[in-house]
Amino acid sequence: AQSVSQHNHHVILSEAASLELGCNYSYGGTVNLFWYVQYPGQHLQLLLKYFSGDPLVKGIKGFEAEFIKSKFSFNLRKPSVQWSDTAEYFCAVGNQGGKLIFGQGTELSVKP
Amino acid sequence: KAGVTQTPRYLIKTRGQQVTLSCSPISGHRSVSWYQQTPGQGLQFLFEYFSETQRNKGNFPGRFSGRQFSNSRSEMNVSTLELGDSALYLCASTRTGATGELFFGEGSRLTVL
Repeated sequence: AQSVSQHNHHVILSEAASLELGCNYSYGGTVNLFWYVQYPGQHLQLLLKYFSGDPLVKGIKGFEAEFIKSKFSFNLRKPSVQWSDTAEYFCAVGNQGGKLIFGQGTELSVKP
Repeated sequence: KAGVTQTPRYLIKTRGQQVTLSCSPISGHRSVSWYQQTPGQGLQFLFEYFSETQRNKGNFPGRFSGRQFSNSRSEMNVSTLELGDSALYLCASTRTGATGELFFGEGSRLTVL
């Protein structure tokens, strides 16, 4: 069965620190990978996606993610976080329309 | 462009009752997916509808059902409510061909007493 694992449940950083959130997936076929973000009081929104090609993908607000096929990983990174990045981040995998398998989410708290 | 709209936003029901939740997708989006979000299980896929047909289904009991209308609006129904059905139910719409690129609504928070 497909599954997605996010290593950290809660990450606390100071502003300007670098961020890396881990995501591993279990899926035997072609994978489409996603990171979604939920800011406090807001709905889930797409941060970035990987379908094929360059394994380093860039998303909104300075976020990027690297697909490493040999490690079944799709880690999210940002060189310097801001207080406004405080949110919950979800990794997801899917290749069937609107059906996604989500990880449990990582709550990021950025201290000003 | 209006986003995904879900109604009602909050509702309280008692065990054994049934509930219907509504979702209006973004104009032009023909795919609507439903998810259940709980603290313990996270986000779990319920089902997806495209052009009034169920295209994908998750691992939920038959008490959970849905439908889609010709205008792409969708409803989901949960019958014989159980305490464990308390959750945030999220609807998301997708452009045709845009696999996984979901636009979520704010959700309907269901509390079962």
